[in-house]
Amino acid sequence: DIQMTQSPSSLPASLGERVTISCRASQGISNNLNWYQQKPDGTIKPLIYYTSNLQSGVPSRFSGSGSGTDYSLTISSLEPEDFAMYYCQQDASFPYTFGAGTKLELK
Amino acid sequence: EVQLVESGGGLVQPGRSLKLSCAASGFTFSNYYMAWVRQAPKKGLEWVATISTSGSRTYYPDSVKGRFTISRDNAKSSLYLQMNSLKSEDTATYYCARQKTTRVSLFDYWGQGVMVTVSS
Repeated sequence: DIQMTQSPSSLPASLGERVTISCRASQGISNNLNWYQQKPDGTIKPLIYYTSNLQSGVPSRFSGSGSGTDYSLTISSLEPEDFAMYYCQQDASFPYTFGAGTKLELK
Repeated sequence: EVQLVESGGGLVQPGRSLKLSCAASGFTFSNYYMAWVRQAPKKGLEWVATISTSGSRTYYPDSVKGRFTISRDNAKSSLYLQMNSLKSEDTATYYCARQKTTRVSLFDYWGQGVMVTVSS
C-alpha cells in the first residue's frame, strides 16, 4: 500500500497569510494526487485533482503542485472560510489512501 | 443539483451485519463510478470501497475485504454497502461519494455521512 505523509499536522496562520501544506507518498504516484477540505460539520469539499487541477467552483487562491513523491497545496491569501482540515489522497493505485490531515487554525 | 443521501446507520453489536444505502439524484447515476469512504471518530479519512458503473468491478482495502460488499442499483440510482462481521474498529461515519470520471478518481461529490457504531 502507498503511505501518504502529510505535514504539518497543525498549522496556525493569520488572515491574508500564504500557507503551504505538504504531502509525501511512500513511492512515486505520477501526479495522481487529490486534495480535499473538511469543515467542522463534516462537510467534505474536493479542491484539486491530478496534482494541480482546480475543481470547479474552487477559488483561484488554492493551487497545487508537485511530482514524483512530493506534493503540496498552497493557499495564497487566507480567507475566514479556509480554516478547516485538509487531506491529500492518492489514486495512483488501489487501495486509495489519504494523508492523516492538516488542521489549518486561526493564529 | 447533485445530492447523495446516506441512510441505514446505527448501533450494532460486534459480529452482526448492517446495510447502508445512498440515494443519488441530480446526475445520471449509471454513468459514474461510486465509492464509500469512512472516518472513525477524531480520525482521518479511509477509503472503503469503489464500484464500476455497471457494478461488474469492485475494489476494497484489505481492512474490509471479505466482510464488506459494495453494490448498486442503477434503476433506483442507489448505492449500497453490506457490512458483515462488524468489528469495533468499523465504528465511523460512512460517506457515499461520486468519482469524477472513470479516469479521474477524485471524489467530486460527497454525502453528509451516516454514523455506524459497533459496540456491545
